[in-house]
Amino acid sequence: NAGVTQTPKFQVLKTGQSMTLQCAQDMNHEYMSWYRQDPGMGLRLIHYSVGAGITDQGEVPNGYNVSRSTTEDFPLRLLSAAPSQTSVYFCAIGQGENYEQYFGPGTRLTVT
Amino acid sequence: GDSVTQMEGPVTLSEEAFLTINCTYTATGYPSLFWYVQYPGEGLQLLLKATKADDKGSNKGFEATYRKETTSFHLEKGSVQVSDSAVYFCALRGLGNYKLTFGKGTLLTVNP
Repeated sequence: NAGVTQTPKFQVLKTGQSMTLQCAQDMNHEYMSWYRQDPGMGLRLIHYSVGAGITDQGEVPNGYNVSRSTTEDFPLRLLSAAPSQTSVYFCAIGQGENYEQYFGPGTRLTVT
Repeated sequence: GDSVTQMEGPVTLSEEAFLTINCTYTATGYPSLFWYVQYPGEGLQLLLKATKADDKGSNKGFEATYRKETTSFHLEKGSVQVSDSAVYFCALRGLGNYKLTFGKGTLLTVNP
């Protein structure tokens, strides 16, 4: 997980609350993405970015917003949390033609 | 669209047993194929990869061969250890595409 940090590690929210999950990298990689991991579902892509100022939707974007103002940071915002957003969230980065994706340690979110 | 199907677990083995975790995929063109491993409480780590047909990826005693004719990328290890206990994910990245598509994961438990 070197080079990718995520905060917080754990979070409990009430339905309707908002919060931002932080992802930061120090590897200067162009590609950053957010996944959610749910039991029996594997990892599903929420949003991704191929560079500062460029973002796009993944497989499950509803209820989440992102922005990429710098190369280093890619925050994920939940505007109005719902119990269905209870999950473990992973940030990943990548670079290069045959790039490999490096994952952060994850944020475990519970919405009650 | 792209998809990955991998062997459902959980898989329980004794130490020094032979391991196979099956993975097949559906994709257009020639995707890159990956195996990631997730140890308890951690993020995903790249275990091995293959970028073209007949390539063999290998790492830490694990191997997988990219078989285009059977659209498969099965993970094997000749002698598992207790420390190999983890969740294993097969994934693909389409040609010219940044996004990873994951299988649902296979939990491996190795008993002493």
